[in-house]
Amino acid sequence: GNSVTQMEGPVTLSEEAFLTINCTYTATGYPSLFWYVQYPGEGLQLLLKATKADDKGSNKGFEATYRKETTSFHLEKGSVQVSDSAVYFCALSPYGNNRLAFGKGNQVVVIP
Amino acid sequence: GAGVSQSPRYKVAKRGQDVALRCDPISGHVSLFWYQQALGQGPEFLTYFQNEAQLDKSGLPSDRFFAERPEGSVSTLKIQRTQQEDSAVYLCASSLDGQLSYEQYFGPGTRLTVT
Repeated sequence: GNSVTQMEGPVTLSEEAFLTINCTYTATGYPSLFWYVQYPGEGLQLLLKATKADDKGSNKGFEATYRKETTSFHLEKGSVQVSDSAVYFCALSPYGNNRLAFGKGNQVVVIP
Repeated sequence: GAGVSQSPRYKVAKRGQDVALRCDPISGHVSLFWYQQALGQGPEFLTYFQNEAQLDKSGLPSDRFFAERPEGSVSTLKIQRTQQEDSAVYLCASSLDGQLSYEQYFGPGTRLTVT
């Protein structure tokens, strides 16, 4: 079936540090890949997406590259801010489908 | 403009009661999705509508769950004879079209607690 695995546990880091959140997936065919973010008290928002292998999605300083050979879509940001504190979800949508399959999410806390 | 709205935001039900959760999608959005998010987990797909047609209900966990969108706009998720395991946040999302290239916009969710 289709599934997404995110690294375990919350992530706590200092302002201006480098952020990486790992995401790997299992899917048949060629899914589209997404990162969603949930800020405190708000609904899920699309952060970035990639629809084919080697595509790089980017937004607000965040980047993720669709790696078919390693079935990964790791999220990175070079210098985080306190305002980046949120829960981040990796998700996929199987080819020819529109339902999203989400990972468990990672709480990111950025300390001033 | 207005986003996806859901009501109520919080619902407490006694085990065995029926509940109805409402979703108002973004005006003009053709596709509507329901997801269930248990505490500490990612959202899980429940069902999908294109206009008034329910095209996929494979994620509904039991026949106690029922969703409708009779006029292709507002949708209602109904849970009959609620059980404790139904406690979760229920998320609604809409998109302009069902194709992959259109973003899903999520509502704030309804937190259901079954006591």
